[in-house]
Amino acid sequence: EVQLVESGGVLVQPGRSMKLSCAASGFTFSSFPMAWVRQAPTKGLEWVATISTSGGSTYYRDSVKGRFTISRDNAKSTLYLQMDSLRSEDTATYYCTTDGGAYWGQGTLVTVSS
Amino acid sequence: DIVMTQGALPNPVPSGESASITCRSSKSLVYKDGKTYLNWFLQRPGQSPQLLTYWTSTRASGVSERFSGSGSGTYFTLKISRVRAEDAGVYYCQQVREYPRTFGAGTKLELK
Repeated sequence: EVQLVESGGVLVQPGRSMKLSCAASGFTFSSFPMAWVRQAPTKGLEWVATISTSGGSTYYRDSVKGRFTISRDNAKSTLYLQMDSLRSEDTATYYCTTDGGAYWGQGTLVTVSS
Repeated sequence: DIVMTQGALPNPVPSGESASITCRSSKSLVYKDGKTYLNWFLQRPGQSPQLLTYWTSTRASGVSERFSGSGSGTYFTLKISRVRAEDAGVYYCQQVREYPRTFGAGTKLELK
């Protein structure tokens, strides 16, 4: 059974940092480009970042470029999202997903508030 | 960035009827390999999104034949035949032709 389990979502103050993790199982993690997609409360889906299978290529939406870093550890079948200089507008449920959207985690809530 | 624009549904939709959702892209989604990179997702209340179709019309594993995607270039449609209670939720189209990936704003399906 395919599983993507996100963790790390918490309440954090603006300007602070946090790191999300996503543990994958049930499929060949290293064969899939992976992505983070977020959803602000009561809003639609918003792509955040994608990383290639090897980790050698990364892509970001403009609003997080220079603040967020996507990475992966294929030996551990784990995806990460390092989020720095957090803003209130980053408040959302963050989903870990294969870049094509075939597999999704349950999401982890990140709240940025003072 | 490619802008994705979704149409609305005349909610509520009677159970057993068909429903069609439209999606337009601001740029052709045909890639140099000839494939058209348009996905459809369903997000049921309180759940993660579920992939329904990719490459415009290929159903994802385990997805009912009642869901069919069609279209080309910049205009796409998702048709849901014989609508059931479990089809209720928000439907999103997404282009994966290029970065940044972009989603439509979502189309809500409510059942009568």
